[in-house]
Amino acid sequence: EVQLVESGGGLVQPGGSLRLSCAASGFTFINYAMNWVRQAPGKGLEWVSAISGSGSSTYYAASVKGRFTISRDNSQNTLYLQMNSLRAEDTAVYYCAKKRIGSYTFDYWGQGTLVTVSS
Amino acid sequence: QSALTQPASVSGSPGQSITISCTGTSSDVGGYNSVSWYQQHPGKAPKLMIYDVNNRPSGVSNRFSGSKSGNTASLTISGLQAEDEADYYCSSYTSSSPYVFGTGTKVTVL
Repeated sequence: EVQLVESGGGLVQPGGSLRLSCAASGFTFINYAMNWVRQAPGKGLEWVSAISGSGSSTYYAASVKGRFTISRDNSQNTLYLQMNSLRAEDTAVYYCAKKRIGSYTFDYWGQGTLVTVSS
Repeated sequence: QSALTQPASVSGSPGQSITISCTGTSSDVGGYNSVSWYQQHPGKAPKLMIYDVNNRPSGVSNRFSGSKSGNTASLTISGLQAEDEADYYCSSYTSSSPYVFGTGTKVTVL
């Protein structure tokens, strides 16, 4: 059974940093690209970042480029999102999502972790 | 990259069919057969319902179907049930992003 479990969310001041983790199980992690998707309170879904299975290719939404860094540890089956220079508008539930092979779709999602940026 | 346009709300009675639209451009919905649909119940993670325009993952009811014409994709729910009440989001591959989501549609079962 595929499982994705996010952690690391919390309250942080504007300008601060936070690192999110996503522990994966139930599939061969290195074979799959992974993504972060966020959802501000009461708002819609927003794609944030993607990383290839090997970790050699990364992609970012314009809203986070230069501030967020996606990475993965395939030996630990874990996905990360390092978030720096956080802003109030980064407040959201952050989901990790597994990309389906051969398709631009997310077939499994974690339960999400809440990041609140506030003074 | 602007969000894909969905109606804010759609409603229907049990047993009826409803259709949710998702309008983009030739750079996303119209240019690729990579439209997906997700269902999200309050406080829960999204769940994949349709991928690649009209494919259902294993375990998803065949009451859910997808289609596309030009720059607009559609999700149809037939035989509407109380459990279908949720928010629905479309997404598409896009030449610039690589992903863009729709604005979301709240489905109400009357």
